Amino acid sequence: RKEVEQDPGPFNVPEGATVAFNCTYSNSASQSFFWYRQDCRKEPKLLMSVYSSGNEDGRFTAQLNRASQYISLLIRDSKLSDSATYLCVVNPPNAGKSTFGDGTTLTVKP
Amino acid sequence: ETGVTQTPRHLVMGMTNKKSLKCEQHLGHNAMYWYKQSAKKPLELMFVYNFKEQTENNSVPSRFSPECPNSSHLFLHLHTLQPEDSALYLCASSQIAGDPYEQYFGPGTRLTVT
Repeated sequence: RKEVEQDPGPFNVPEGATVAFNCTYSNSASQSFFWYRQDCRKEPKLLMSVYSSGNEDGRFTAQLNRASQYISLLIRDSKLSDSATYLCVVNPPNAGKSTFGDGTTLTVKP
Repeated sequence: ETGVTQTPRHLVMGMTNKKSLKCEQHLGHNAMYWYKQSAKKPLELMFVYNFKEQTENNSVPSRFSPECPNSSHLFLHLHTLQPEDSALYLCASSQIAGDPYEQYFGPGTRLTVT
């Protein structure tokens, strides 16, 4: 089993749709979690951290479910510019290496 | 300059050449990373340096040789590469390696081995 698993998609949605991605992780001791966005042929960029209480940034909402060991990203009112690959990242405790998921590809169509 | 910079942005090299990739971070971080990303493939972690010490070598072939002279600079020395080494090479940095810190990426070097 991979340490971090994401549904690769692709997710194809119309503008204005709401879409959600999940990311499961295997190390129950994992402490911090992030979502990154990667545009085609560009570097990954931090989208948001994921906090235990859940957090929201505009149209984006991230949640953590420790009991079931997954994090989620919800995008409301999708825009064409949201088309990208979304990567989840899981940090183990202490100074262990971060693990990136393989990414979920989203295409928002007019 | 701010953030993480990488040079060169594009590199074409023959299999017998020797070249180096350079990464510099201006964020005051103590951890730096090299990743490889082949076309339409996931990120592959190659090396991690924490406070200038290598803490991770992800079974990378010896034709890739990293060097971290200080916390702000990271190099990847390349020699006798293979065509399958053609990829986007990304450098990243973080406050320290691991929890709870996020990584910041440079723009990458797009390498083509002919």
